[in-house]
This record gives sequence, structure tokens and C-alpha cells, in this order.
Amino acid sequence: DAKTTQPPSMDCAEGRAANLPCNHSTISGNEYVYWYRQIHSQGPQYIIHGLKNNETNEMASLIITEDRKSSTLILPHATLRDTAVYYCIVRPKTYRDDKIIFGKGTRLHILP
Amino acid sequence: KAGVTQTPRYLIKTRGQQVTLSCSPISGHRSVSWYQQTPGQGLQFLFEYFSETQRNKGNFPGRFSGRQFSNSRSEMNVSTLELGDSALYLCASSSIQGATVREKLFFGSGTQLSVL
Repeated sequence: DAKTTQPPSMDCAEGRAANLPCNHSTISGNEYVYWYRQIHSQGPQYIIHGLKNNETNEMASLIITEDRKSSTLILPHATLRDTAVYYCIVRPKTYRDDKIIFGKGTRLHILP
Repeated sequence: KAGVTQTPRYLIKTRGQQVTLSCSPISGHRSVSWYQQTPGQGLQFLFEYFSETQRNKGNFPGRFSGRQFSNSRSEMNVSTLELGDSALYLCASSSIQGATVREKLFFGSGTQLSVL
């Protein structure tokens, strides 16, 4: 079973910020939150990851709640090319039991 | 740097046959993991190899196996193919620095396997 819960689909208007939620209520202290996205017929692409602090890179921002039970991926200015399936996963710090459960993800539609 | 390369891109087999898929990781990456993606089950973890040793394994039957060579290239094999094995098979590599550092995964474009 997936360790994360995501809404199956979301819409966002082009140019607006896309906020994708993820619930990971059973996350343990040694697990990171990672986000990947998969554009049709391609392999997933890394977006961002974090442990407990908020993170930002050139693609997105990751906001993790203080209790670490949920997080939000923010695409600040969504474009049509951001249409994809977004996966939120948790991974342990060590390789042990790192079975990388992806779940079904959120299908994000960017509307022109 | 070249990305993760998977061959072949498409494959058609019949039930009962066996198949071998290949994955060449990014140069310098020592970890390779494999995934099966189907519309119904989504993206599922098969196994991970590091330095020619299987380190983690998902919940798939023994018909699914893999190996890694000394140059980090990896192959996965599925024996006695079933219709339900039709899927996109993805591999990913990462530059794990020792046992405790988490590094991001770089995925290939996958091999689309159709079992008739």
C-alpha cells in the first residue's frame, strides 16, 4: 500500500500557481518526501525533495507541515507543459526497506 | 552526460515466452531500480541493485528476476509470460554515495512490453 495519499486529479489555469497536496500521516522521522512527475509516455522526472524544512528550486517549492504529516508542491506559474501526473513519495534515509512506493499520483491538467 | 538508456523500446511476446530487458544507467551511477507501470496498478517497484547485489525487492512473483553487471548495467528477466505482464517497464539509476545518502532517481523512457 502507498504511504502517501493524493487527489486523483486537479485543474489549474495557465499562469496561476498550482498547489498539489499530499498526505503522508505515517511518515517516520528518517523518511524524506520526494516529488516526481511523469509526462505522457516518458519516465518520471525528479522535481524536489525535503525532510522537514521548506525547499525551493528552479522548478517548484515544497512546503512541509510542522508535524510532517502532509506537504504541498507548488508550481508558481503553471504552463501547459506542466500537464503531467505528479507523484509524492516517501523514502527512508538509508537503503534498507527502500521499496519506493509511488501510488497513483495526481493528474494535473493545466487549462489554457 | 547521456541519460538512462533502456532497450528495446517496444517488445511483443506471446504467453509462456520469456523476455530480457536491458538498462544502462548514467555513467557513474551504481544503483539501478526497476518498476512496472500499468493503468490499473500504477507505478510499482520491482527491485533495486547496487554493486551487483539485489538490495531491495518488491512484491512480485519469482518469475521476475534481475541482475547487475560490474559496469552497473542491469537486466531484468520475466519468465513464463502472462497477459497481465503487459506493461511499461521503467528503470532508474541514482548515484548513491554509500549506504545512507538518499539521491534522486533518473528514469529511462521505458520498455513497452505487450504479451499476446
